[in-house]
Amino acid sequence: GAVVSQHPSWVICKSGTSVKIECRSLDFQATTMFWYRQFPKQSLMLMATSNEGSKATYEQGVEKDKFLINHASLTLSTLTVTSAHPEDSSFYICSAYTSGKNNEQFFGPGTRLTVL
Amino acid sequence: GENVEQHPSTLSVQEGDSAVIKCTYSDSASNYFPWYKQELGKRPQLIIDIRSNVGEKKDQRIAVTLNKTAKHFSLHITETQPEDSAVYFCAASLSNTGNQFYFGTGTSLTVIP
Repeated sequence: GAVVSQHPSWVICKSGTSVKIECRSLDFQATTMFWYRQFPKQSLMLMATSNEGSKATYEQGVEKDKFLINHASLTLSTLTVTSAHPEDSSFYICSAYTSGKNNEQFFGPGTRLTVL
Repeated sequence: GENVEQHPSTLSVQEGDSAVIKCTYSDSASNYFPWYKQELGKRPQLIIDIRSNVGEKKDQRIAVTLNKTAKHFSLHITETQPEDSAVYFCAASLSNTGNQFYFGTGTSLTVIP
């Protein structure tokens, strides 16, 4: 196995609220987790790299104060979209990596965020 | 950072024909190149991958070729079937920077029965 889950799968919120998305590796310990953002019919854009116990590394152009990432354990990383606005509406996908899995990243099912 | 380009953006083929999707990358340090298939609203699924020490890899109807000198790699699907219809993404990984994957822009493949 190599199962990655995300919760919630879909969230609708009002503008200005914060939304937390969880990413869990269910049957393996992930040394690294990645967060991607995907707009409709577009590619996966890497937002940040999250290593357990350390601060996340954000890609250029991604606001770290807007997208808070916490990698609390080897099986859980959270992405919090703070003060969400309609332009933050997107599909957020996490992936988990461990060196013991042949360099493969295992993707979560994604979370669809709709900000009204 | 790494820049991955992918072509074509859309591709339609008749069932049974072959489909080829091409990607180029910019950073010569990249050494791992996976291909993902994504159906609408679902997670990307790894279908095949190749490392820089190999020029070609095949798995049944799917094959990938890599030209490190030219910095491009291609996905080949033979005997296409309607269930192959999906969006395909290539990616390149810089192994010395924490294994971040940089994805191409995607190819929407439609196999016409």
